[in-house]
Amino acid sequence: GENVEQHPSTLSVQEGDSAVIKCTYSDSASNYFPWYKQELGKGPQLIIDIRSNVGEKKDQRIAVTLNKTAKHFSLHITETQPEDSAVYFCAAVPGNQFYFGTGTSLTVIP
Amino acid sequence: EAQVTQNPRYLITVTGKKLTVTCSQNMNHEYMSWYRQDPGLGLRQIYYSMNVEVTDKGDVPEGYKVSRKEKRNFPLILESPSPNQTSLYFCATHPLGPGEAFFGQGTRLTVV
Repeated sequence: GENVEQHPSTLSVQEGDSAVIKCTYSDSASNYFPWYKQELGKGPQLIIDIRSNVGEKKDQRIAVTLNKTAKHFSLHITETQPEDSAVYFCAAVPGNQFYFGTGTSLTVIP
Repeated sequence: EAQVTQNPRYLITVTGKKLTVTCSQNMNHEYMSWYRQDPGLGLRQIYYSMNVEVTDKGDVPEGYKVSRKEKRNFPLILESPSPNQTSLYFCATHPLGPGEAFFGQGTRLTVV
């Protein structure tokens, strides 16, 4: 089955700086790559996603890039704010089943 | 409003006492699944269902059962819970094919 690796496991940045989280996947059949944000005590919520026919997607301060050849994709958050502090999960989806990374705990220091 | 409702939110039980965690969705999605979340391990899929009466094992199905008698409900059953099933559980749903998955609020289970 699919194997998704996510790095780093923890990340601390100063408010206003950028944060980058990286994921790799193994199954070339994966064609959908969502990113989820999980705040304390809540379920994960989708923040951005990208499909395999697109190399980059941006939504305000958040962007995702995909390199299908190298089988890796990244989440970029610019101008970070304290409310960006949360756990972030990447996922790769071949077909219908979601395979998640192990998560990145992001702390934005005011 | 799109909702995935899990109950209970918190549960403390003893080893061997059967329990059920319920999950209900109002989005008419075909696909429903259960995950457990453990520190350092991320979200691991327990079971999933692609439609009524169709269920299949995920990555960590041992010790769990599920049923899908109605499209909106997908209960998770622990027939004889053990302490290693202490975890945070999430139900999720999404339409077939690539698309956003919606998660419930989670059920924190402690087995003593």
